Amino acid sequence: GDSVTQMEGPVTLSEEAFLTINCTYTATGYPSLFWYVQYPGEGLQLLLKATKADDKGSNKGFEATYRKETTSFHLEKGSVQVSDSAVYFCVQAGNMLTFGGGTRLMVKP
Amino acid sequence: EAEVAQSPRYKITEKSQAVAFWCDPISGHATLYWYRQILGQGPELLVQFQDESVVDDSQLPKDRFSAERLKGVDSTLKIQPAELGDSAMYLCASSLAVSNTEAFFGQGTRLTVV
Repeated sequence: GDSVTQMEGPVTLSEEAFLTINCTYTATGYPSLFWYVQYPGEGLQLLLKATKADDKGSNKGFEATYRKETTSFHLEKGSVQVSDSAVYFCVQAGNMLTFGGGTRLMVKP
Repeated sequence: EAEVAQSPRYKITEKSQAVAFWCDPISGHATLYWYRQILGQGPELLVQFQDESVVDDSQLPKDRFSAERLKGVDSTLKIQPAELGDSAMYLCASSLAVSNTEAFFGQGTRLTVV
């Protein structure tokens, strides 16, 4: 069945460091892929999306590229800020939404 | 900007009592989801509606949980009786279609059962 695997956290970085959160998926078709962010005590917010192979989603300095050949959708940011501290979920949308386990990011000043 | 509305934001209830949550999806969104999220974990799908019909409720504990979306718009999730293990965040989300589209989430209802 469909699944999403993302790197376990927590990921702890210093401010202005480079961020990568790995995400791979298995799917029977060609799902749309998303990254959601969840701040403490809040619901999930859509961060970025890609709907087909080689699409690059980007928002607020975050980027992720839909790689069909490696079935990956890694999240990257060149310079993280303390305000980026949150939990990040990789999600695929085929016939249903399938969530990764989430990765907690902690950014220290 | 259109949002998914949920109420209440917080609920404290005693075990064995009944509790209900309400969700109003974004206008025009045919698909509505209820998720449960235990602290430190990812969301777990409880029930998915397409208009007023249930598409998937395989993970809904039907002995105590019920969900309805009578007019295909807003929805109610009920727990009766509540148990200590039901303490979690209950998230509602909506999307335009069933597949290949993003879902928009509400702020959630934080339930504490004491």
